[in-house]
Amino acid sequence: GAGVSQSPSNKVTEKGKDVELRCDPISGHTALYWYRQSLGQGLEFLIYFQGNSAPDKSGLPSDRFSAERTGGSVSTLTIQRTQQEDSAVYLCASSISGGAFEQYFGPGTRLTVT
Amino acid sequence: AQSVTQPDIHITVSEGASLELRCNYSYGATPYLFWYVQSPGQGLQLLLKYFSGDTLVQGIKGFEAEFKRSQSSFNLRKPSVHWSDAAEYFCAVGGNTGGGNKLTFGTGTQLKVEL
Repeated sequence: GAGVSQSPSNKVTEKGKDVELRCDPISGHTALYWYRQSLGQGLEFLIYFQGNSAPDKSGLPSDRFSAERTGGSVSTLTIQRTQQEDSAVYLCASSISGGAFEQYFGPGTRLTVT
Repeated sequence: AQSVTQPDIHITVSEGASLELRCNYSYGATPYLFWYVQSPGQGLQLLLKYFSGDTLVQGIKGFEAEFKRSQSSFNLRKPSVHWSDAAEYFCAVGGNTGGGNKLTFGTGTQLKVEL
């Protein structure tokens, strides 16, 4: 079946602009995670959604970052007033549920802030 | 706070040789442990996982890992490496905290395979 998909695959934006990154999880997966992979920080957790529960935003690096998940499926990560340090690969993962289930990762969105 | 240490940044092995990638973790409760592989420009692919039970777990592509609680380790092994195994390998720890399974990753080990 279809895996996790993300769009766009690449995004170049100017400093100060807002960007939206999209994630389509595997159908039927109720848990969705966002991670960021950068040269300086490695792979780090950003935010977690589980069903209709309030998201766990504990990994978001600043209030310029936000995410939503509509209808328990598609998720959008928004970065406002982008900075050069936001340049990274943003990875989305989904799992059947939270807890002891493996996470399946999408191919990522490479964000470059110029 | 949970953490993962992968002490080897780069490893080079000859094709056909055995491989062991080290991973040590810190976690306050029973951990969930994972190994992922990432090829250039690709996402993360799960090689194997440990949640509970048998401490020796088998994964895809001939990989296995052993959970050793006393050593806080989860080393990845393969008896005979193939050239196609060249990639970056990440160890990760998670747990059922508040219903979620937020993963903390190590810094990765870059594997080079010499023909």
